[in-house]
Amino acid sequence: GAGVSQSPRYKVAKRGQDVALRCDPISGHVSLFWYQQALGQGPEFLTYFQNEAQLDKSGLPSDRFFAERPEGSVSTLKIQRTQQEDSAVYLCASSPTDGDQPQHFGDGTRLSIL
Amino acid sequence: GESVGLHLPTLSVQEGDNSIINCAYSNSASDYFIWYKQESGKGPQFIIDIRSNMDKRQGQRVTVLLNKTVKHLSLQIAATQPGDSAVYFCAGTPTGNQFYFGTGTSLTVIP
Repeated sequence: GAGVSQSPRYKVAKRGQDVALRCDPISGHVSLFWYQQALGQGPEFLTYFQNEAQLDKSGLPSDRFFAERPEGSVSTLKIQRTQQEDSAVYLCASSPTDGDQPQHFGDGTRLSIL
Repeated sequence: GESVGLHLPTLSVQEGDNSIINCAYSNSASDYFIWYKQESGKGPQFIIDIRSNMDKRQGQRVTVLLNKTVKHLSLQIAATQPGDSAVYFCAGTPTGNQFYFGTGTSLTVIP
């Protein structure tokens, strides 16, 4: 497809389990971003990649959150030992190059921690 | 950091009327702003952007105004249609990559 693809669309996990969320950016896009969106709130920045390099991870809420993009295309956001406050929609976005430009968003993964 | 907020959480307009959605930002270093539209269950969709060296930009039925003096921007939608019903976010960045989003304004268009 032409857009950013995220999988799974919905994920339910028990507290304490590890989860992995996948993002397929638009082909050729250099920059990739992860955001967390709580219900009724705007997206909050988590981390940013330029190709395979993670240039900013200042928004990751704890060391339980880990993101990677080993080949500069697909990215995975991993959350270890999930907690109820991790429940949110996780959005991935990509842009063609670096810097001031619109980001193209996927439809997100809705994560529910029981 | 950056704080981007919206003046009204909800807005209802009659079909065909113009809509104005406002946004205030706190970081004077922010130099690039985007308006996004988000429908239920979907990711944010780009509407229009503006850089800090501009004070107005127009698109198809949409206009963004930027007032750097008071750190305020607005989104104007002309001849609002039912399909415009959604949550609208402004987002700003001082770095070009780390965007700060507001909490959103929910626009409802009344047929």
